[in-house]
Amino acid sequence: KAGVTQTPRYLIKTRGQQVTLSCSPISGHRSVSWYQQTPGQGLQFLFEYFSETQRNKGNFPGRFSGRQFSNSRSEMNVSTLELGDSALYLCASKTGGASEKLFFGSGTQLSVL
Amino acid sequence: SQQGEEDPQALSIQEGENATMNCSYKTSINNLQWYRQNSGRGLVHLILIRSNEREKHSGRLRVTLDTSKKSSSLLITASRAADTASYFCAPSWDSGAGSYQLTFGKGTKLSVIP
Repeated sequence: KAGVTQTPRYLIKTRGQQVTLSCSPISGHRSVSWYQQTPGQGLQFLFEYFSETQRNKGNFPGRFSGRQFSNSRSEMNVSTLELGDSALYLCASKTGGASEKLFFGSGTQLSVL
Repeated sequence: SQQGEEDPQALSIQEGENATMNCSYKTSINNLQWYRQNSGRGLVHLILIRSNEREKHSGRLRVTLDTSKKSSSLLITASRAADTASYFCAPSWDSGAGSYQLTFGKGTKLSVIP
């Protein structure tokens, strides 16, 4: 069974641009969560999608958005990039139940210049 | 904040020694999970302990949970150089949207010296 796949692995953008990151969950998993990881703030929750609906949302500005498709694949978008958006963005999936572990992808390392 | 907070932030030990990491949290939880992250990669699930459990073992890992103190600890026995990584605790709590959310802290960076 293939794991969680995130593309691209590395990305370099400049301030003001926008970026779209992609995540393909493990087959059969309907829940996809996104996290931002920075050295100063640690791992911060962005949002969770379940069956194409946003189920939970973290405390991030509206520049951060996401969506989920009918095949459970998910994308997140960041518009008007700022230097502080430089981070490792991690996607994680699970089948959708309550007491379940998350399966993480390897992440997308975004650098904003 | 519902996130877990790990302590210490960094830990350096000799191979063969035991490593203990602690976690505190502030909300009622359904379960608490521990994850490991090798440098710059995704997290890997290690162990899950439910709110009605007090201790759990998995190989060289031992996790305890004290819900009255809202704290947990992860013990790695007979550490190896390959255990060098960051370790995160993640309380799982009811987000009120028909789901449970995991929140992570900044982790404990463990260095095992050969």
